[in-house]
Amino acid sequence: DTGVSQDPRHKITKRGQNVTFRCDPISEHNRLYWYRQTLGQGPEFLTYFQNEAQLEKSRLLSDRFSAERPKGSFSTLEIQRTEQGDSAMYLCASSLGNSPLHFGNGTRLTVT
Amino acid sequence: LAKTTQPISMDSYEGQEVNITCSHNNIATNDYITWYQQFPSQGPRFIIQGYKTKVTNEVASLFIPADRKSSTLSLPRVSLSDTAVYYCLVGDQIQGAQKLVFGQGTRLTINP
Repeated sequence: DTGVSQDPRHKITKRGQNVTFRCDPISEHNRLYWYRQTLGQGPEFLTYFQNEAQLEKSRLLSDRFSAERPKGSFSTLEIQRTEQGDSAMYLCASSLGNSPLHFGNGTRLTVT
Repeated sequence: LAKTTQPISMDSYEGQEVNITCSHNNIATNDYITWYQQFPSQGPRFIIQGYKTKVTNEVASLFIPADRKSSTLSLPRVSLSDTAVYYCLVGDQIQGAQKLVFGQGTRLTINP
């Protein structure tokens, strides 16, 4: 179990730029989740994949956000035309079925 | 979705037993209670999960009374490294983790 890996750990970008984050889940886990966490708050659910299928998206996920999980392995989260309000920690988690979530250590995004 | 209420913060000392109580008055029949721990700049980490009565693992114990409207996470003989935010989540295992809602959590500070 090598854990959930996220890349990069930190990203600073200028408003209006596009950014992409990557998540490598635990290899045998079929479910993958993206969360966003701002300072002092708990993680907020963004979207969820079972294998390669994106099964649910939160209303928080505006049309500037897109997530993919090709071949049911790693996942990417892209934010287009970033805004200062997008500054947050973006967390990825994976699970095998309904087992508890295993989280990565997140990508901290700062939009200047 | 079952809403949870837990103290915003707690303080204790090394070697003490710490009990964090979570209220979930509208817990549903199929809901499980799950606790996560989060250190700064890391993703949450699963601690313990239960449905009723008592569950114990190498890290903590979870006490759930018969009416299941609350639960108590018990950390025996805490150390400085137990300083973290602790989240109580309530949800249906079958519906999946995307239905779980993280609140603000309890910020536990352990003093020497």
